Amino acid sequence: AQKVTQAQTEISVVEKEDVTLDCVYETRDTTYYLFWYKQPPSGELVFLIRRNSFDEQNEISGRYSWNFQKSTSSFNFTITASQVVDSAVYFCAHDRGSTLGRLYFGRGTQLTVWP
Amino acid sequence: EAQVTQNPRYLITVTGKKLTVTCSQNMNHEYMSWYRQDPGLGLRQIYYSMNVEVTDKGDVPEGYKVSRKEKRNFPLILESPSPNQTSLYFCATRLAGGTGELFFGEGSRLTVL
Repeated sequence: AQKVTQAQTEISVVEKEDVTLDCVYETRDTTYYLFWYKQPPSGELVFLIRRNSFDEQNEISGRYSWNFQKSTSSFNFTITASQVVDSAVYFCAHDRGSTLGRLYFGRGTQLTVWP
Repeated sequence: EAQVTQNPRYLITVTGKKLTVTCSQNMNHEYMSWYRQDPGLGLRQIYYSMNVEVTDKGDVPEGYKVSRKEKRNFPLILESPSPNQTSLYFCATRLAGGTGELFFGEGSRLTVL
């Protein structure tokens, strides 16, 4: 069975600190996809990134960066110079890449950034 | 504008009173799905549909029904709601066989007393 583990339930930081959210997944597939979603206090789910299993290049988007390491089955998310607006629940998800199209989500990490 | 629309957004009901949460999308996606979100448990899939008249159980289907008579609509039916179905529900869509992002509705917060 697919499994996604976000071991950090809650993280609190002060503005401008860097913070890393961990995500570890389990899979027997060679082809798969990994995602991060953000859920701000307003409740909607916002897509952040999608990564396929054949692309281990790190990705950077502004203050956000993602580190994908197949050797450790991890897909960690780092926010540099955090801001109050980054406060949200962040979900990591895994997709087997089959025609079933199902995403399996981790339990989420609540990030609180204090001013 | 690409949209996934859920109704109602908020609902308080009582045990045993049948209710339906509607979901409609305008992206012509084949795949639609329902998730529920509970504190500490993340998002868990209830049912999904690969196309019209094709539905299947997700991880937590007990107490729910779905139907897919039209491509754009995928209602979630609670025949006899119980308090343990109090939750935040999300409808989501994507292209069938696709591995792109899942597009989510805004969520429906349901409370069963």
